[in-house]
Amino acid sequence: GDSVTQMEGPVTLSEEAFLTINCTYTATGYPSLFWYVQYPGEGLQLLLKATKADDKGSNKGFEATYRKETTSFHLEKGSVQVSDSAVYFCALSGARLTGGGNKLTFGTGTQLKVEL
Amino acid sequence: KAGVTQTPRYLIKTRGQQVTLSCSPISGHRSVSWYQQTPGQGLQFLFEYFSETQRNKGNFPGRFSGRQFSNSRSEMNVSTLELGDSALYLCASSPGLIILRGRYEQYFGPGTRLTVT
Repeated sequence: GDSVTQMEGPVTLSEEAFLTINCTYTATGYPSLFWYVQYPGEGLQLLLKATKADDKGSNKGFEATYRKETTSFHLEKGSVQVSDSAVYFCALSGARLTGGGNKLTFGTGTQLKVEL
Repeated sequence: KAGVTQTPRYLIKTRGQQVTLSCSPISGHRSVSWYQQTPGQGLQFLFEYFSETQRNKGNFPGRFSGRQFSNSRSEMNVSTLELGDSALYLCASSPGLIILRGRYEQYFGPGTRLTVT
């Protein structure tokens, strides 16, 4: 079945540091890939997405590139802020070419703490 | 547009009771999915409804059920509650249309925090 593997957290960085959160996936067909962010006490917010190989999703300074050859979708940001502290989830959907549904398969989440 | 709303936001129930959670999707969205989030199991897919029909189902026991109404609002029900059902239950909506090699993203509500004592 489909699966997503994320790097373990927590990840602690100083403000303005470079961020990378690794994400790899296992799926057949052509999945769409997503990064969601969850702030304390809230639901999930879509951060960015990519729907085909070599697509780059970007939003709020975050970027991730869909690499089919390495089955990866690593999240990066050049300069993190304290306000970026949250839990980040990598997810995939739509891996099958046939059949319906929008089921999302999530990774375990990576907690990011950014300190002054 | 208003976002996804879920009611109630917090709920405390006793083992053996049943509970119903409600979700109102973004206007115009026809697909509603439900997820359970726990510290131990993470985010797990429960089921998806599209045009009042269950389109996809996760690996949960039959105590977990759902339905969708003609206005796309959805409810999920958990019967005979167990301590392990304590979790954050998240609802997500999307337009629901499926295009080969493309999927619409899902938008999540704030969740219902269920505590079973």
